[in-house]
Amino acid sequence: QSALTQPPSASGSPGQSVTISCTGTSSDVGGYNYVSWYQQHPDKAPKLMIYDVNKRPSGVPDRFSGSKSGNTASLTVSGLQAEDEADYYCSSHVGSNKVIFGGGTKLTVL
Amino acid sequence: EVQMVESGGGLVQPGGSLRLSCAASGFTFSSYWMHWVRQAPGKGLVWVSLINNDGSSTSYADSVKGRFTISRDNAKNTLYLQVNSLRAEDTAVYYCARGGHSTCLGWGRGTLVTVSS
Repeated sequence: QSALTQPPSASGSPGQSVTISCTGTSSDVGGYNYVSWYQQHPDKAPKLMIYDVNKRPSGVPDRFSGSKSGNTASLTVSGLQAEDEADYYCSSHVGSNKVIFGGGTKLTVL
Repeated sequence: EVQMVESGGGLVQPGGSLRLSCAASGFTFSSYWMHWVRQAPGKGLVWVSLINNDGSSTSYADSVKGRFTISRDNAKNTLYLQVNSLRAEDTAVYYCARGGHSTCLGWGRGTLVTVSS
């Protein structure tokens, strides 16, 4: 199973919105509503930002939102802030209780 | 406070073995599925293995199937990963995470496994 496809980088200015895509297949992203998004700052553990495509865990700002269309999921960060600069990873259920991650996207706040 | 602390990593020769542990506290360990996820230096996250809340069901990434074994001791609030026949490409920080069957809700800080002669 190949990793989900994410753009290597994305950027935006403070206050702007940026969307990161995550493309899979009908066997993973397209087949289940079990897409998650994680934020990872340098030398830190990942943090769950979105689960089940568009649900936010308690404590995650509503500036972060998720969606899915067909085999592609998206994470949108609105009102960009300096602390949003980090690596972002998507993941998806792939059946048989397995999970697959995307390759990661480095978000730069200009 | 929810906490997961991994241990057991270190330097091991190719072909060697290690037993990684993840001590959990601050939540009802037996209610959660648990994952191992690894990250090679400078690389992305890679899912490794999953065990359900009572330990009756496990799953593995193809790259580790047959070499790694996940287990848990709910009485000790501890998750394990037995890693055998290690290869250079297994070098990574190994994270444990609690969650459901497809989501890692909370993560530990990781333990570094280095496979080198």
